[in-house]
Parts: sequence; C-alpha cells; structure tokens
Amino acid sequence: DQQVKQNSPSLSVQEGRISILNCDYTNSMFDYFLWYKKYPAEGPTFLISISSIKDKNEDGRFTVFLNKSAKHLSLHIVPSQPGDSAVYFCAASEYGNKLVFGAGTILRVKS
Amino acid sequence: ETGVTQTPRHLVMGMTNKKSLKCEQHLGHNAMYWYKQSAKKPLELMFVYNFKEQTENNSVPSRFSPECPNSSHLFLHLHTLQPEDSALYLCASSQDYVGLAVGAGELFFGEGSRLTVL
Repeated sequence: DQQVKQNSPSLSVQEGRISILNCDYTNSMFDYFLWYKKYPAEGPTFLISISSIKDKNEDGRFTVFLNKSAKHLSLHIVPSQPGDSAVYFCAASEYGNKLVFGAGTILRVKS
Repeated sequence: ETGVTQTPRHLVMGMTNKKSLKCEQHLGHNAMYWYKQSAKKPLELMFVYNFKEQTENNSVPSRFSPECPNSSHLFLHLHTLQPEDSALYLCASSQDYVGLAVGAGELFFGEGSRLTVL
C-alpha cells in the first residue's frame, strides 16, 4: 500500500504559466515533506521541503503548500520554464526517519 | 571529485552472474542508502547504513547483499538475480540518518546504475 501517492503520471504546461504538482499521503504521522527533481540520466536532486508546522514554504519560483487535514501537498512553479521539464518526486518522513517516495510526475514545459 | 558517484552506470548480467555496484560519496556524510527505482513505481528503500552499521533492511531478498567498508563507500553485491530485478539502482547519502525532520538530512543521490538482468 503506497503511503505517498502522486496520482498524475504526467503534466504538460506552457512556458510562463503555472505548474501545479500534487501529492497525497496516508500516514498522519509524517511530519516532514520534500520534493525532488530528476533529469534523465541523473540522480534526483533536492528541490524544496516543508515541515508539518508550516503550511507554505517558498524558494524563488517554487512554492510548496501543505494541507495537513487533507493530507495533501502541492508544488507550484511560477513561471514555468523549459528547463523545469523533469520528473518530480514527492517524499515524506516520520520523525526524521527514512523517506517514503511517490512514483513521480513527469513535467513537460512547452516553449 | 564531489558528490555521490556510482559505477558502473550500466550493467547487463545473466541470472547466474555475480556482479557488484559501487557507490562513493565525497560529502563527509555519515549515512548511505540503496534505493531501487522500477518503471512507474516509487523509489523503494533497500538498505541504510549509518556510521558503517546497517540500520535498515527493507525485506530485500538475499540475492542482494550490501557492504559498507567505511562511511564513504557502499557496495551492492548481486547474485542469481531475476529479470524482474532489472531497474535503476540509486545510491544516496545524508549527513545523518535521523535528521530529516529538522531539514538537515536531505538525501544526495548518485546518478544511478541501470541494471538489466537477462
């Protein structure tokens, strides 16, 4: 049973518009959430994180929102750029223990 | 050389072969991990080593055997694999194993070893 779910396998967005990637989780004990980005032939790289004590964290064009009651988080990219085209993984951890990853969402930003 | 490096990048092996994947980190981290990424599936944690001691074995079949001789090196020894073991095997490291909750333990991944079992 997957504890972290990314229900959209892929997303296509026009350059300059907003990209919204979604992630749902089932374990209410998760207290730290991260997004990783992966280009082909490269390993995933850390993008942005959020602690359960917050509901929003922003870093440049990237903002992560956390809705604990809905067990949902989302990553917003504004404005989207062609270089943002990659696979995005959502991950969660409980009390600083091992990360549980989602299956990833492929983002394609069209120019 | 910096970061996390994995060798080989690609490996094709038969079911009766014995091979090893190697991972080396130059970040001074204390924890190292093996993850498996199969197509359209979440990254699956296989093993965790913290200060050279194995702290996690995620019900991985014995045909996968990890080895961590020091904090900088991690191996995954492969023996009698099955075709369904074909996947991308990712090595990662973090400053400490327990520390993700305070934002100090993000994982740094290598580029992965693409394994094909015939």
